[in-house]
Amino acid sequence: ETGVTQTPRHLVMGMTNKKSLKCEQHLGHNAMYWYKQSAKKPLELMFVYSLEERVENNSVPSRFSPECPNSSHLFLHLHTLQPEDSALYLCASSRGGGGKNEQFFGPGTRLTVL
Amino acid sequence: QKEVEQDPGPLSVPEGAIVSLNCTYSNSAFQYFMWYRQYSRKGPELLMYTYSSGNKEDGRFTAQVDKSSKYISLFIRDSQPSDSATYLCAMIPSGSARQLTFGSGTQLTVLP
Repeated sequence: ETGVTQTPRHLVMGMTNKKSLKCEQHLGHNAMYWYKQSAKKPLELMFVYSLEERVENNSVPSRFSPECPNSSHLFLHLHTLQPEDSALYLCASSRGGGGKNEQFFGPGTRLTVL
Repeated sequence: QKEVEQDPGPLSVPEGAIVSLNCTYSNSAFQYFMWYRQYSRKGPELLMYTYSSGNKEDGRFTAQVDKSSKYISLFIRDSQPSDSATYLCAMIPSGSARQLTFGSGTQLTVLP
C-alpha cells in the first residue's frame, strides 16, 4: 500500500450505533488530519495530530472522538451521530515543520447516518 | 462573510478551451496559496502551490496570486476531458503551518 489509505470506503449507520473510521499513511509523515467534506461546502478541518500538537476545531461535536496511537495511524470514533453528520470524511497527512505543508489526502469514507 | 469565496459552478467548457477558476479571500495574513484537484470518489491532490504574489506555470496550468486584490486564479490552457474534476483553492496564513482554509470548490466539466 502506498500513500494514505482509509477504511471503510462506505459506511451506513444508525443514530445509536458506534463505529470507527481508520486512516493509515505510508509516507513517513508526522502530522495527520481529519476533514469533513459536505456538498457545496468547504473542507472543514476537524482535528490535527502532530508531534508538536493536537489541534481541535472547537465547533466539532463531542460525538466525534479522534485517536492517534502513532504517527502512521489515525482513527475517528463515532457515536450517536445525527443525519446532518452524513458527509465524506477525509484523512490527510503531511511532513512536520512550516512552509509548504503539502497535505496528501486519502480517498475518504462516505458516511451515511440514517 | 466566508474567509475564502469560490464560485461552485458547475462550469462546462468545450475541449481545448481556456479555463479560468478564481477565489477571493478576506484574511490578509494568508501567505501560501494552493490549488487542489479532486476527481469523483477520490481525495483532493495538490496541483499547484504558490507563495505570495505572482505567477507560477506548470505545463498547461498557471496559478496567479494578487495579494493587493486578495484574489487568486488558476488557468488551464488547452483543456482536456481528463481535467474534469472539482478544483479547490486553499490558503495558509503566515505563522500557521497546518491550518489550511479551503474554498468550497468549483466543479469543472470539459466536453469532448
